[in-house]
Amino acid sequence: GQQVMQIPQYQHVQEGEDFTTYCNSSTTLSNIQWYKQRPGGHPVFLIQLVKSGEVKKQKRLTFQFGEAKKNSSLHITATQTTDVGTYFCAGQGGGSRLTFGEGTQLTVNP
Amino acid sequence: NAGVTQTPKFQVLKTGQSMTLQCAQDMNHEYMSWYRQDPGMGLRLIHYSVGAGITDQGEVPNGYNVSRSTTEDFPLRLLSAAPSQTSVYFCASGRATTEAFFGQGTRLTVV
Repeated sequence: GQQVMQIPQYQHVQEGEDFTTYCNSSTTLSNIQWYKQRPGGHPVFLIQLVKSGEVKKQKRLTFQFGEAKKNSSLHITATQTTDVGTYFCAGQGGGSRLTFGEGTQLTVNP
Repeated sequence: NAGVTQTPKFQVLKTGQSMTLQCAQDMNHEYMSWYRQDPGMGLRLIHYSVGAGITDQGEVPNGYNVSRSTTEDFPLRLLSAAPSQTSVYFCASGRATTEAFFGQGTRLTVV
């Protein structure tokens, strides 16, 4: 079955440093989604990437979808304490089933 | 709109007890799913449904049952609770290939 792997599992940064999390799928995806979960909260949708090689930006966040549609990354420029949480990628293959990666837990030291 | 509503928020069960986690959505989404979240393991899909009357198994279905008699509701039943089912459970809904909306979660402890 489809597997989605995400690294690193944990990342500790000083406020102002950059942060990147990477996602790899065992199969080609129709789209990839990114979610953020604050401590004690529930996952909240950030963005969806559909096209091969697609790059989308949301303020300090940059999302990329690989050319082969099997990998993706999320990059945060100049982290802030409000960026703390766990970031998940989730891939969809041919159907509607969404497979999540293990998540990257980001802590930001002020 | 309430979005996705899960009840209860917290539950403690004894081993062997059964219970139902409730999930309701008011967005007329056809797709609903249940995940469990354990430390370091992300969100693992238990069961999902693509419409009323249609359900299918996810990655970790053993010990759980679901049914989808209406578009709005997708309850998750634990048949005979085990300590390994201690987890945080999330229900989600969405359209087929777009974003998923999550409920607030149910924190379940089985002793």
